[in-house]
Amino acid sequence: DTGVSQDPRHKITKRGQNVTFRCDPISEHNRLYWYRQTLGQGPEFLTYFQNEAQLEKSRLLSDRFSAERPKGSFSTLEIQRTEQGDSAMYLCASIPRAQNTEAFFGQGTRLTVV
Amino acid sequence: KQEVTQIPAALSVPEGENLVLNCSFTDSAIYNLQWFRQDPGKGLTSLLLIQSSQREQTSGRLNASLDKSSGRSTLYIAASQPGDSATYLCAVTGTASKLTFGTGTRLQVTL
Repeated sequence: DTGVSQDPRHKITKRGQNVTFRCDPISEHNRLYWYRQTLGQGPEFLTYFQNEAQLEKSRLLSDRFSAERPKGSFSTLEIQRTEQGDSAMYLCASIPRAQNTEAFFGQGTRLTVV
Repeated sequence: KQEVTQIPAALSVPEGENLVLNCSFTDSAIYNLQWFRQDPGKGLTSLLLIQSSQREQTSGRLNASLDKSSGRSTLYIAASQPGDSATYLCAVTGTASKLTFGTGTRLQVTL
């Protein structure tokens, strides 16, 4: 257990529905990252927060995706009007304030769009 | 744009063998390099972190080296065990602590 929690672990949804995932980072970590991993590939960066501020979004993050981190604690990632191409593992990572330290990953949320 | 390559993509070895996994990256401007383990359907577990100023790190049966100037890292696993079977991912840290991952090496250790 890395101390980073993600919920739910698995989600099956019909195409066109909205889904929301939650990530609870290690409490003293001020930076939180979302990554997406498709089968047979390494994770790819989506977005990150420093405290409550969303500082960067990847071009992978289309307009249907939105992420929040209210009060700099937990974060949510919402996907609107899901498409089959959104099927992937969504991973959350947190990093402490200190520079050049390791990233701690959650167990991920496996999304399947049918 | 940073690109990370891992070779081989898959590896099967008998129990007890020593093995080496390779990772290469195109941009040497990195802050550190991490090796992760991923079991099927699970998240990532950090194994070793090597700072850009370091040459190697060791943890138990694992030893990772880094040659930043040539853009290479290796993960050495000694005396492999069936429990080592997993996918091993290499990632380099760039600006804003964002990680760029390779596609991983899928390792199977057989009895």
